[in-house]
Amino acid sequence: DGGITQSPKYLFRKEGQNVTLSCEQNLNHDAMYWYRQDPGQGLRLIYYSQIVNDFQKGDIAEGYSVSREKKESFPLTVTSAQKNPTAFYLCASNSLAGVDEQFFGPGTRLTVL
Amino acid sequence: AQKITQTQPGMFVQEKEAVTLDCTYDTSDQSYGLFWYKQPSSGEMIFLIYQGSYDEQNATEGRYSLNFQKARKSANLVISASQLGDSAMYFCAMREAANTGNQFYFGTGTSLTVIP
Repeated sequence: DGGITQSPKYLFRKEGQNVTLSCEQNLNHDAMYWYRQDPGQGLRLIYYSQIVNDFQKGDIAEGYSVSREKKESFPLTVTSAQKNPTAFYLCASNSLAGVDEQFFGPGTRLTVL
Repeated sequence: AQKITQTQPGMFVQEKEAVTLDCTYDTSDQSYGLFWYKQPSSGEMIFLIYQGSYDEQNATEGRYSLNFQKARKSANLVISASQLGDSAMYFCAMREAANTGNQFYFGTGTSLTVIP
């Protein structure tokens, strides 16, 4: 079955450590996205990528970094510079053509202790 | 200006009743898509329904229908015969076909609670 996988589902880290969240899709989508969601809030765009080896900052990119070395993969690194990293992180993807929906992974809940 | 506006932070509905969740959008594009997603407490985003800007009929998917009023730029979600499992956050979203950058915009969401 085609879809988006994110691992792990729950992640705990100590303050000051970098942590990388994985996102893999087998939908052959060109565009991939990372969103952050705080409790009871909406989605905020961190980074997006429309092609391999290229990505763009979203609204809250500070303290985060990404890479897009393969079409299928778009890992997100939460660096120690991110002041409040505890949140729910969602990865998404979509085709570039047309107006099809965006597909989402199951999310990773990051807690920084 | 906000691309997607959801003015109802929280809504309550009696089980088996219908409920309308409001969504207005802002775009100057002729070709765009409108979407509704459901997010239960587990966090997954579930795609519910889609309306294309050129579609003349309102979209329907089972108990979900989208009340599309293009001139008013509104795309309200109607859930008929509410069930307890409908309790969740609901997000309205828009995709602009002509946008070469980030194409998707999400509203702030509406929290729906179904009362037994």
